[in-house]
Amino acid sequence: EVQLLESGGTLVQPGGSLRLSCAASGLTFSSHAMSWVRQAPGKGLEWVSAISASGGSTYYADSVKGRFTISRDNSMNTLSLQMNSLRAEDTAVYYCAKDPGITGMTRHFDDWGQGTLVTVSS
Amino acid sequence: IVMTQSPATLSVSPGERATLSCRASQTVSSNLAWYQQKPGQAPRLLIYGASTRATGIPARFSGSGSGTEFTLSISSLQSEDFAVYYCQQYNYWPALAFGGGTKVEIK
Repeated sequence: EVQLLESGGTLVQPGGSLRLSCAASGLTFSSHAMSWVRQAPGKGLEWVSAISASGGSTYYADSVKGRFTISRDNSMNTLSLQMNSLRAEDTAVYYCAKDPGITGMTRHFDDWGQGTLVTVSS
Repeated sequence: IVMTQSPATLSVSPGERATLSCRASQTVSSNLAWYQQKPGQAPRLLIYGASTRATGIPARFSGSGSGTEFTLSISSLQSEDFAVYYCQQYNYWPALAFGGGTKVEIK
């Protein structure tokens, strides 16, 4: 059974930084692209960032480009999201999500973590 | 690209059929997925490729459409089906986009 467990969410001040992690188990982590998807309180889903299976390619939504950095450690089965220059509008539950494609990217998501809440407020 | 779902809320009695719509502002071919999300839970993949059920998804869920118009149908709604449903286009990369969601509530 695939398990994705996010951590690192907390209250942070505007302009601050935060690093989220997602620990993966029950899958061949190095074979799957991964993404971060967020959901503001009471709102819909927003794709944030993706990384290829090897980690060699990264992609970002315009809303976070230049502020967020996605990375992965395939030896530790861990996905990360470094978030800098945080804004109030970044407040959301952040989910890590697995792409079902093997080595390639299908760009939809068949497994999700339970999410970690990031609150940006003074 | 903008994904528009309608209606925002759908009131349905248990055992009845529910039909949810998703419209894309540009053609997305068949690169469309549907997800179900219950309160306090992560989304769950229901349909991909516009009409292919994901692993373990009951046959009462079906998807149809291509281009810009898509439909998710749930035949004979069960109590566990009352939730929010999102469509997602993945034709345009890296501009993935979700619809605003349709809440299916008990009538």
